[in-house]
Amino acid sequence: DTGVSQNPRHKITKRGQNVTFRCDPISEHNRLYWYRQTLGQGPEFLTYFQNEAQLEKSRLLSDRFSAERPKGSFSTLEIQRTEQGDSAMYLCASSLSQGLVSHEQFFGPGTRLTVL
Amino acid sequence: AQSVSQHNHHVILSEAASLELGCNYSYGGTVNLFWYVQYPGQHLQLLLKYFSGDPLVKGIKGFEAEFIKSKFSFNLRKPSVQWSDTAEYFCAVRPSGTTDSWGKFQFGAGTQVVVTP
Repeated sequence: DTGVSQNPRHKITKRGQNVTFRCDPISEHNRLYWYRQTLGQGPEFLTYFQNEAQLEKSRLLSDRFSAERPKGSFSTLEIQRTEQGDSAMYLCASSLSQGLVSHEQFFGPGTRLTVL
Repeated sequence: AQSVSQHNHHVILSEAASLELGCNYSYGGTVNLFWYVQYPGQHLQLLLKYFSGDPLVKGIKGFEAEFIKSKFSFNLRKPSVQWSDTAEYFCAVRPSGTTDSWGKFQFGAGTQVVVTP
């Protein structure tokens, strides 16, 4: 399978714990995006990378959230001191950006986080 | 700020009925437009996209959408639905322009479509 993969698929944690999710994009894609999706809503943008550079972060991304893409390939999203409001599906997507053109995004299956 | 509005949160219809899902966006500049679908238990998949040219675009599985710039709309249609079209449908908008510095999509809240046999 050469699509976007995410691990783990499910994560249950206690409030106050730290969690880390991983995303492996499609190999030739240089852009990687993180979204959060709650029940009854569409995905909400969190942040995105062009290669290893984090180019934009949403106001939704509090200082408890940090994302990295150290080698321009896979990315990690860490949430520190989790809160019940962090419970959501965390989606990763990747796309190919060529010059001024950015193509459609391909989504992974998501990581469902439940904070107890 | 840009926003995307999907008019219906839930739609229930019978097989062979026609489907139209509304999508309106607010943004003053040029946009790229997308419809994504999420089948039960699966991840988001692209149905169709509009970048430029013919405003009537055809996607997979018999879906099409029409971009009406004057109405800031990008409605999705299918003439005859099947039970397998039961899914959640998301409209997404991305501003396009000379810098392409805004790489993220703005998604609508989604429309849950249930097709009954």
